[in-house]
Amino acid sequence: GQQVMQIPQYQHVQEGEDFTTYCNSSTTLSNIQWYKQRPGGHPVFLIQLVKSGEVKKQKRLTFQFGEAKKNSSLHITATQTTDVGTYFCAGNAGNNRKLIWGLGTSLAVNP
Amino acid sequence: DTEVTQTPKHLVMGMTNKKSLKCEQHMGHRAMYWYKQKAKKPPELMFVYSYEKLSINESVPSRFSPECPNSSLLNLHLHALQPEDSALYLCASSQDPGAGTWNTDTQYFGPGTRLTVL
Repeated sequence: GQQVMQIPQYQHVQEGEDFTTYCNSSTTLSNIQWYKQRPGGHPVFLIQLVKSGEVKKQKRLTFQFGEAKKNSSLHITATQTTDVGTYFCAGNAGNNRKLIWGLGTSLAVNP
Repeated sequence: DTEVTQTPKHLVMGMTNKKSLKCEQHMGHRAMYWYKQKAKKPPELMFVYSYEKLSINESVPSRFSPECPNSSLLNLHLHALQPEDSALYLCASSQDPGAGTWNTDTQYFGPGTRLTVL
């Protein structure tokens, strides 16, 4: 079946260090979406990428969508304690409205 | 306003109880979703309503019964649940521009109902 692999599963960083999480899909995606879920919270939409090779920035966060539309990354520069949470990627494949989710990367930031 | 509200926030129920989860959005979205999320896992799609009609049922057991009274409201009726049904139940909504344009449709999640089945 269609899968999205996400690595790493966990990441522990010191405040100020950079962080990157990667998603790889077994199938071409029509889009990739990124969500952040704080501990005890719910998924909060961060961004959506649609075009091949697209790069978007939100302050310290940089999102990329691969040329083949099968992989994506989220990079956080100079992490802060407020970045703590689980980051999920999710995408649609073809004309299927159901999102295929990665398993998430849990980020812990030591102050 | 990108707010989806859900009630109750927490629910504890026995296996013989009947209860309902409620979800509301006022963003004019025409698609609404129920997800189930276990700890440290991604959300798992249960149902999708599009323009108040059930569009997707991901082979969910009949002890979960969804209802969409109107385009702003979504309910999930629970009956004879099992302890393994304990989870965070998330509602989401999206604009639903239509088939072929779902690659630009964004889902906004509510805060969830944390359900414990004893």
